[in-house]
Amino acid sequence: GAVVSQHPSRVICKSGTSVKIECRSLDFQATTMFWYRQFPKQSLMLMATSNEGSKATYEQGVEKDKFLINHASLTLSTLTVTSAHPEDSSFYICSATEAGDQPQHFGDGTRLSIL
Amino acid sequence: AQKVTQAQTEISVVEKEDVTLDCVYETRDTTYYLFWYKQPPSGELVFLIRRNSFDEQNEISGRYSWNFQKSTSSFNFTITASQVVDSAVYFCALLGGGTSYGKLTFGQGTILTVHP
Repeated sequence: GAVVSQHPSRVICKSGTSVKIECRSLDFQATTMFWYRQFPKQSLMLMATSNEGSKATYEQGVEKDKFLINHASLTLSTLTVTSAHPEDSSFYICSATEAGDQPQHFGDGTRLSIL
Repeated sequence: AQKVTQAQTEISVVEKEDVTLDCVYETRDTTYYLFWYKQPPSGELVFLIRRNSFDEQNEISGRYSWNFQKSTSSFNFTITASQVVDSAVYFCALLGGGTSYGKLTFGQGTILTVHP
């Protein structure tokens, strides 16, 4: 149980392209989903927290117009990297949880490479 | 503010050795939760354990065991008779209350390499 599916697993695209990443909880309803960014050999950095039906809460320093988050249902959240540039290249991971004190279950991550 | 420190950046052992990964945390919350996650080379994070602040009982799951000590704010993870498949990055994480409720604070991670 507690499976989170994240797609795509890898994206390579040109600078200026917008990229959408999907995060789905397959066998549970996720009241909250989280988006993280991870640089090589570093820890996970929380970008934003999203609750179904409401606007995402972004961490300090994360541009909300750059990283658009939509959490339209209890099983789906999307992260859109708008007009991506090489500095946006990174490993993006989503997680989902049924309740605030329960474990977060993570997707497999998306490796984004902007040329 | 919450903080998780994993002082060991990298650990290298030979198969069948026991290895302990250290985790020290800081929080002002009286109720909090501690987690360990494993990140193999493929990248996904695998949930290993959740422990709440009121339960100091140590836990064993197969070759894995966890030692939670509130007095020293530590939540250490031991792998007994390590195997090559244990090679991964291991993250300790803290989930507190207040304005941080629901958010995980991760340690820097410990890279474990188990050699055959």
